[in-house]
Amino acid sequence: DGGITQSPKYLFRKEGQNVTLSCEQNLNHDAMYWYRQDPGQGLRLIYYSQIVNDFQKGDIAEGYSVSREKKESFPLTVTSAQKNPTAFYLCASSSIPGQGYNQPQHFGDGTRLSIL
Amino acid sequence: KNEVEQSPQNLTAQEGEFITINCSYSVGISALHWLQQHPGGGIVSLFMLSSGKKKHGRLIATINIQEKHSSLHITASHPRDSAVYICAVRPADRGSTLGRLYFGRGTQLTVWP
Repeated sequence: DGGITQSPKYLFRKEGQNVTLSCEQNLNHDAMYWYRQDPGQGLRLIYYSQIVNDFQKGDIAEGYSVSREKKESFPLTVTSAQKNPTAFYLCASSSIPGQGYNQPQHFGDGTRLSIL
Repeated sequence: KNEVEQSPQNLTAQEGEFITINCSYSVGISALHWLQQHPGGGIVSLFMLSSGKKKHGRLIATINIQEKHSSLHITASHPRDSAVYICAVRPADRGSTLGRLYFGRGTQLTVWP
């Protein structure tokens, strides 16, 4: 079955360390997204990509970096510059909406990142 | 200011009750999504709608574009419906990122047997 795979499910980071969260999809979707979820808040967009080798900052990109070398993969690196990285991270993908035609987003199961 | 507001924030019901969750938004949209987040964190899409009403099993979603309001109804609620329900909108503004969504904070639903 097609879907989105995020790994690991739980991740622990020491202060000053960079960590990379994996997101892989086999849905043949062009667009991929990274969201951050904090308690009591809605999901917030970190980065998104609509095509291989291209990506744009979302609302809260500071302290994060991404790459899109393959259509199927969109890894997120949480750098040491991110001062409050403890959160739940969700990856999503969708087809590129055509003119007047909307596409649903498919979500992974998320990665919970904690600081040691 | 959040573009998407949900109410209530928390909702407790007895099994069998009719549930309504509301969503209001402040921008013109091309689509509205209702999502369900399970206790483990995974999210599934329940509905995507841009007008009228959709029904899937015991779930019904309605939208009023003029009033910028949507409701999610659950008929004959069951403990397995316990989850966080999230409303999200895709702005119609051409300047917006293709496909990006703005999310409400979610409604935690607990259904007791």
